Amino acid sequence: QVHLVQSGDEVKKPGASVRVSCKTSGYTFDSYGISWVRQAPGQGLEWMGWATAYNDNRDYAQRFQGRITMTTDTPTSTVYMELRSLRSDDTAVYYCARGGFSTSCDYWGQGTQVTVSS
Amino acid sequence: EIVLTQSPGTLSLSLGERATLSCRASQSVSSSHLAWYQHKPGQAPRVLMYGASSRATGIPDRFSGSGSGTDFTLTISRLEPEDFAVYYCHQFGSSPRTFGQGTKLEIK
Repeated sequence: QVHLVQSGDEVKKPGASVRVSCKTSGYTFDSYGISWVRQAPGQGLEWMGWATAYNDNRDYAQRFQGRITMTTDTPTSTVYMELRSLRSDDTAVYYCARGGFSTSCDYWGQGTQVTVSS
Repeated sequence: EIVLTQSPGTLSLSLGERATLSCRASQSVSSSHLAWYQHKPGQAPRVLMYGASSRATGIPDRFSGSGSGTDFTLTISRLEPEDFAVYYCHQFGSSPRTFGQGTKLEIK
């Protein structure tokens, strides 16, 4: 069965960077891309971007351009999301999800709480 | 950017009632690129409908979806206790992919 397991919660200071991992299993890794979606406190879901190992393609929401990088590691079937220059309004639960670019998000990770505070 | 506007923001209904949730897009969206999700506190979102009207695996048939172009609807025919949650629509036909702001379905 398909599983997406994310790395643990993080606490960061403003200006720092965070890297969240999403280890996948149960399917052919490069057959599906992975989206990253976040939910800030009291807010809705926000699509941040997508990455695929199939052709090494990426697509980032413009509001994150320049401070987000998504990378794929095929040997470990893991996708990483790095967000730099963190601000307090980056405090959110970050989810990885299979698909979300040309298909629906059909499987989700458990979520990673990222807290940005001085 | 395609903006998805969901209405109402909050829907208060009783068990057994019918719920109708709306998702309106600022530009036309192919129905094959529209999905609905259910999200409960402390859990990951769960896909309910894809292709606007196809139920995802394991989703009961009291959930149905319809619509085309700029207007889409999620209907829950008879509300069960586990249906009270926040619901989001999602378009994945145009970048950036976007979610609606959500409809909170609460028990009356």
